[in-house]
Amino acid sequence: NAGVTQTPKFQVLKTGQSMTLQCAQDMNHEYMSWYRQDPGMGLRLIHYSVGAGITDQGEVPNGYNVSRSTTEDFPLRLLSAAPSQTSVYFCASRSDRDIGTQYFGPGTRLLVL
Amino acid sequence: KNEVEQSPQNLTAQEGEFITINCSYSVGISALHWLQQHPGGGIVSLFMLSSGKKKHGRLIATINIQEKHSSLHITASHPRDSAVYICAVKETSGSRLTFGEGTQLTVNP
Repeated sequence: NAGVTQTPKFQVLKTGQSMTLQCAQDMNHEYMSWYRQDPGMGLRLIHYSVGAGITDQGEVPNGYNVSRSTTEDFPLRLLSAAPSQTSVYFCASRSDRDIGTQYFGPGTRLLVL
Repeated sequence: KNEVEQSPQNLTAQEGEFITINCSYSVGISALHWLQQHPGGGIVSLFMLSSGKKKHGRLIATINIQEKHSSLHITASHPRDSAVYICAVKETSGSRLTFGEGTQLTVNP
């Protein structure tokens, strides 16, 4: 199993540009989530999904969209990038919505100029 | 006040020392996770607890549900243990995890 994969590993954007961060898992996990990590703030939940076709907002959803058309994939879209979205983004999955080991992707470092 | 509080924020130890990192939370939970984030940024799940104690190698995690407190212990610490250790709780209601801000551990040779 590849586990949780994320692409790209690093991206530089200009303000106003849009892009999609890809996330995929091959463990047939129902629950997938996107976090951003900023210095001194810990991991904050952006959006999450409890299964294909179902998504919901986390703590900091503004400026981001998600979709879950398949169990495997959970892309995160930045609609119009802003410098405040400069961060490290982690995708994660787990097998059971209530209790289950959390698996993280390697992260995407995003710099918005 | 954060729902998940970790202490200390930073910890420096000498190789071989016994280390304890604490996590307190204020909500009802169904599970608590301890994660390790390496200097390169990757995050690894160490333990998932709903009661009692778990051990893996030199790592031990305990949880006291009544006191809403968990500890992560590292015995015979080594410089390769240097990382950020993160506590996260899964609340009884809902499906999200709430994260602490992490404890930066540095183990010197």
